[in-house]
Amino acid sequence: GENVEQHPSTLSVQEGDSAVIKCTYSDSASNYFPWYKQELGKRPQLIIDIRSNVGEKKDQRIAVTLNKTAKHFSLHITETQPEDSAVYFCAATYNNAGNMLTFGGGTRLMVKP
Amino acid sequence: GAGVSQSPRYKVAKRGQDVALRCDPISGHVSLFWYQQALGQGPEFLTYFQNEAQLDKSGLPSDRFFAERPEGSVSTLKIQRTQQEDSAVYLCASSLATSGNTGELFFGEGSRLTVL
Repeated sequence: GENVEQHPSTLSVQEGDSAVIKCTYSDSASNYFPWYKQELGKRPQLIIDIRSNVGEKKDQRIAVTLNKTAKHFSLHITETQPEDSAVYFCAATYNNAGNMLTFGGGTRLMVKP
Repeated sequence: GAGVSQSPRYKVAKRGQDVALRCDPISGHVSLFWYQQALGQGPEFLTYFQNEAQLDKSGLPSDRFFAERPEGSVSTLKIQRTQQEDSAVYLCASSLATSGNTGELFFGEGSRLTVL
């Protein structure tokens, strides 16, 4: 089955700096890679996703890159703000998995004002 | 309601008790998932329904865990003879996507189970 590794487990940045979170996956059949943000005691919410037919996707201050050959993908947050503080999870799946996501272990991002 | 609703939000059980956790998915969502999230960890897949059919239950940790979705809408996750290692947040998620395609999972707030 799929295995997703995520690094770092914790990340502390100053407000305004950039943050990068990296994930690797094991199953070359995986073709959909979402990122979820989970605030303390809240539900995970999708913030951005990427499919295997593109290498990069941006949405305002958030971007995701995908390297299919190396089987890794990354989340980039620019101009970080205190409200970006949360736990971020990467995940992977493929079409015939019925949208069953395999999640990474999470990264706790702390943005210091 | 507009989102996925789970109840109870918090459940404390004595070791050996049975518990039932309920999930109300977004109306019209065909797919429903249960995940287990231990403290400080990522969600771990438990089981998946497409309508009323349980298509994958490979993540259920033991035969004490049972899930159903009899009418293809509300789902219940039942844990029999609870053990301390069952303590976790149980997340339900629903999706419009079905087998053969992918899309956003919408999560509920979760049911936090504490087994004493």
